[in-house]
Amino acid sequence: DAKTTQPPSMDCAEGRAANLPCNHSTISGNEYVYWYRQIHSQGPQYIIHGLKNNETNEMASLIITEDRKSSTLILPHATLRDTAVYYCIVSPRDTGNQFYFGTGTSLTVIP
Amino acid sequence: NAGVTQTPKFRVLKTGQSMTLLCAQDMNHEYMYWYRQDPGMGLRLIHYSVGEGTTAKGEVPDGYNVSRLKKQNFLLGLESAAPSQTSVYFCASSYRQDRGRIWTFGSGTRLTVV
Repeated sequence: DAKTTQPPSMDCAEGRAANLPCNHSTISGNEYVYWYRQIHSQGPQYIIHGLKNNETNEMASLIITEDRKSSTLILPHATLRDTAVYYCIVSPRDTGNQFYFGTGTSLTVIP
Repeated sequence: NAGVTQTPKFRVLKTGQSMTLLCAQDMNHEYMYWYRQDPGMGLRLIHYSVGEGTTAKGEVPDGYNVSRLKKQNFLLGLESAAPSQTSVYFCASSYRQDRGRIWTFGSGTRLTVV
């Protein structure tokens, strides 16, 4: 399974866009990129996922590079409630037992 | 629709005691998982199940046992608790859709072994 690399921490001003990068240079063709977040040690919460195309939902946008070796999660208008640890996870499409967490990026939204 | 429910939410055990953590999901998901999270670290997979009556080992299975007698429940057992098992335990379930698989997590059980 591919591993991911994320910066350990980032800050973002409230109301601005938060751009969280993730490197997954060894990703395979059948592996999706997932983003989850964990607020105050609660259970991880699903944000978004994608295979190769950019994705957008009500929470965020996911930009995946053409070579699929990196991606960026975008929170368009960060609020204080977005302060959390964000995990980028790569997992095969057809296998349900390979969902491994790294240490993630601790995002702090500053008033 | 409650999602994934874990009981208990908090527990303190003495070294050598045993206990069972219960995870219940009402989403009819086939797959269920138990993770542990230690301070400053990401979640690590202990055991998982791909369906009723099946279980398999994850990354850190030693010291734990699991059972999946019913599709909606996944039990995690500690036969003889050790201080190294002090952690936050998360249960999850997943389903496969056309575009990959989605995992849903419970709110966690904070276990302290003294």
